[in-house]
Amino acid sequence: KQEVTQIPAALSVPEGENLVLNCSFTDSAIYNLQWFRQDPGKGLTSLLLIQSSQREQTSGRLNASLDKSSGRSTLYIAASQPGDSATYLCAAPISGGYNKLIFGAGTRLAVHP
Amino acid sequence: GAVVSQHPSWVICKSGTSVKIECRSLDFQATTMFWYRQFPKQSLMLMATSNEGSKATYEQGVEKDKFLINHASLTLSTLTVTSAHPEDSSFYICSAQDPGTLSSPLHFGNGTRLTVT
Repeated sequence: KQEVTQIPAALSVPEGENLVLNCSFTDSAIYNLQWFRQDPGKGLTSLLLIQSSQREQTSGRLNASLDKSSGRSTLYIAASQPGDSATYLCAAPISGGYNKLIFGAGTRLAVHP
Repeated sequence: GAVVSQHPSWVICKSGTSVKIECRSLDFQATTMFWYRQFPKQSLMLMATSNEGSKATYEQGVEKDKFLINHASLTLSTLTVTSAHPEDSSFYICSAQDPGTLSSPLHFGNGTRLTVT
C-alpha cells in the first residue's frame, strides 16, 4: 500500500534562501510523482510531474528529483520569495495505478521579507 | 492548457439538506474524474473515482449512499452530499486527466468549501 511522507511539516525562512523539501514513498513501483502547490483555501496547482523514467524536472526556480530505488523525491526552490509562501504537496499514484493519487501531508512554507 | 472547473467555490447549508458540487473539464473529455476531501490542516484523501457511463468506485470507508456521484457526460461529474451533517464540513476537490495525454499531470479544480450548520 502506497504511503507518502513529507518532511519538514513546516518551514519559515527569510527571503532569498535556497530550500529543500523532502518526500518519501513506500511503493517504489510508481509511474510518476507529482508536486503541487496549495494556497490557503484554494485548490491545487501542479508544479512538476516526474515520470518514472526521469530523474528530475525543472521549471524556473523549481527543480524536483526522483530516486525510485530509495523511494524519495526532493523539491528544490532556489532564491525563495515571499510569493512562494504556500503548502507544497507531494503525491504518488496508488500501488499499481497511475492517476489515483496518494498525498503527503504537505510542507507549509513561509518566506518572509 | 487543460482546465478543470468546480462549482460552487463555497456553500453553507443546514444540517439534513443535500448539496451538489459540479466538476467540469473545460477543454478535454474526461472519462474518469476523482473526488478528494480535505479536512482543515490535513492532506487530501481520495474519496471516489467517477466513471463516465458506469458506477463510481468508492474508497474504503466512504459511504456511497451519502456521497452520490454522477458522471453525466464526458465533461461533467457531480458529487452530491446527501443529508449533510456538520462532520461533512470539509474542502472537496475534483481532478481529471486529459486521456489523450497520459503523461500529463492531473488537473485539479479550485475546490468547494462546504460548511454544514
